[in-house]
Amino acid sequence: GAVVSQHPSRVICKSGTSVKIECRSLDFQATTMFWYRQFPKQSLMLMATSNEGSKATYEQGVEKDKFLINHASLTLSTLTVTSAHPEDSSFYICSARIAGGPSVGELFFGEGSRLTVL
Amino acid sequence: LAKTTQPVSMDSYEGQEVNITCSHNNIATNDYITWYQQFPSQGPRFIIQGYKTKVTNEVASLFIPADRKSSTLSLPRVSLSDTAVYYCLVGSYNAGNMLTFGGGTRLMVKP
Repeated sequence: GAVVSQHPSRVICKSGTSVKIECRSLDFQATTMFWYRQFPKQSLMLMATSNEGSKATYEQGVEKDKFLINHASLTLSTLTVTSAHPEDSSFYICSARIAGGPSVGELFFGEGSRLTVL
Repeated sequence: LAKTTQPVSMDSYEGQEVNITCSHNNIATNDYITWYQQFPSQGPRFIIQGYKTKVTNEVASLFIPADRKSSTLSLPRVSLSDTAVYYCLVGSYNAGNMLTFGGGTRLMVKP
């Protein structure tokens, strides 16, 4: 199946700093990617939809100035957590779809990036 | 947006068949039912998808009754490695709502 890769898999940063997470589609082009956040023992929460060449669409309650999304190419989307605070510590996961794939709307997920803000 | 309800957790033993049911009473005509599996500290992985009746692949079966208000994921002869969280998603691609994850079912397979 399609491969979506994230980097870094784990990051620890100090409060107030910014952290960038990369999401790449390795063997297909993704005009749209999706960013999720997952707290321990909880389900995935959709944060935003990343659109290649245009602004991201954020879900209600997600601060766009806090979570900057850039989708500059058909294979790369980045999520930058700006001025991170301990409450931003979470597991961030990106996903993408393949146009015309065997299953309707199937999501391919990256490995996830665990952010710990001290 | 069709909301889904699943049991929070289930326990099973190796070699048993496990059935996880998902309720989606207000499923729309164009909605598909998709199941994902997630291991700790990993992104979810697609398991199976169906629209009606029964679908089977190499890892699972999906049973959908005629009214489509529920669906059952069936895992034959589970092993310890099937311990994971299983999510049922319901939605239509064209409506852009195949993205919402419900609570999921935490399956624990014991030796």
